[in-house]
Amino acid sequence: GQNIDQPTEMTATEGAIVQINCTYQTSGFNGLFWYQQHAGEAPTFLSYNVLDGLEEKGRFSSFLSRSKGYSYLLLKELQMKDSASYLCAFRTGANNLFFGTGTRLTVIP
Amino acid sequence: ETGVTQTPRHLVMGMTNKKSLKCEQHLGHNAMYWYKQSAKKPLELMFVYNFKEQTENNSVPSRFSPECPNSSHLFLHLHTLQPEDSALYLCASSQDKVADTQYFGPGTRLTVL
Repeated sequence: GQNIDQPTEMTATEGAIVQINCTYQTSGFNGLFWYQQHAGEAPTFLSYNVLDGLEEKGRFSSFLSRSKGYSYLLLKELQMKDSASYLCAFRTGANNLFFGTGTRLTVIP
Repeated sequence: ETGVTQTPRHLVMGMTNKKSLKCEQHLGHNAMYWYKQSAKKPLELMFVYNFKEQTENNSVPSRFSPECPNSSHLFLHLHTLQPEDSALYLCASSQDKVADTQYFGPGTRLTVL
């Protein structure tokens, strides 16, 4: 079957670094995505990993290990506006996205 | 991001009503998607259209009926819904089905009484 596990909630302090983990199980895999979703808004694309390793994009980085079925999203220099849900999703063999339930991050002063 | 628009943004309907949700994308994409997002549940893919052809129906009940008249427009026709169908319905588009990124609309918050 297909499954994604990620923490339900996390809290971090403004200016700090936070790592959001995601583990997945699937028989067909065509890449791992991270989306950000503010309350009441559309999900917006953050990152895409198809090969193992770290992809860095400004304050956000995403890591993938296909052999371990594991990814993480790293957010540096946290800002209050980073408070949102972070959705981990993999693309299946049929090229559809399978989403996790998301991690709600709260950034506190 | 105004590339994908959805109307209405909020909808309240009775179980016997018939209504339609509309999605329009202004990005020149060829693939469009309907997702359902319920509280504390993951985004669930409902339907996929690629070049106006339906390529995926993810075991969605027949009370939900999609329509894709062209690559820019996608509708979701609703009839005889149940209270458990209350959710946020999100539309998304991508260049095609194998493109890296899907762009989401703001969603329609549906409440079924």
